[in-house]
Amino acid sequence: AQSVTQLGSHVSVSEGALVLLRCNYSSSVPPYLFWYVQYPNQGLQLLLKYTTGATLVKGINGFEAEFKKSETSFHLTKPSAHMSDAAEYFCAVSDRGNQGGKLIFGQGTELSVKP
Amino acid sequence: DTGVSQNPRHKITKRGQNVTFRCDPISEHNRLYWYRQTLGQGPEFLTYFQNEAQLEKSRLLSDRFSAERPKGSFSTLEIQRTEQGDSAMYLCASSLTGVNYEQYFGPGTRLTVT
Repeated sequence: AQSVTQLGSHVSVSEGALVLLRCNYSSSVPPYLFWYVQYPNQGLQLLLKYTTGATLVKGINGFEAEFKKSETSFHLTKPSAHMSDAAEYFCAVSDRGNQGGKLIFGQGTELSVKP
Repeated sequence: DTGVSQNPRHKITKRGQNVTFRCDPISEHNRLYWYRQTLGQGPEFLTYFQNEAQLEKSRLLSDRFSAERPKGSFSTLEIQRTEQGDSAMYLCASSLTGVNYEQYFGPGTRLTVT
């Protein structure tokens, strides 16, 4: 069965600092990989995804992530944090064999940005 | 494209009552998903439809939960005999098979069972 682990339920960075949110997955076959962001009392918004091709993917708001098959990881980074980046971030996977299908989410990482 | 909409946005009910939520997906999307999210946790999959067919149900979905998508457009999720443990955010998402594999989420319905 697929599973997702996000290391660190809370991450705090200073404005302008590097953001690194960690995600590791467990799956017998490399799945599709996603990062979603959730602002308070709102639904989830897709930041970026990896399905095939280039393993370094760029998303919205300056975020990017790299798929590393050997490490079963898909860590999310942003070179310079902005106050507006404060939110909950979720890593998710879906089954490649089902044209996607249901998403399996990690438990989330809350990002705080200090001025 | 007006996005995924969910109604109501908030629902407060007493234990033992039945509740029904509605989700309207993006119009051309053939897949529709329901998830449940409790405080401090990631969303958990409940069920999904492709057109009007319910293709998968989670073991989390007890017999008190039922979902329908009668004409392959909007969907309803009903919870019978609500329990306090049902208090959560219920999220709906939709997607189009074979295209991007992205799911687009609605704002959610927050259920509070008192």
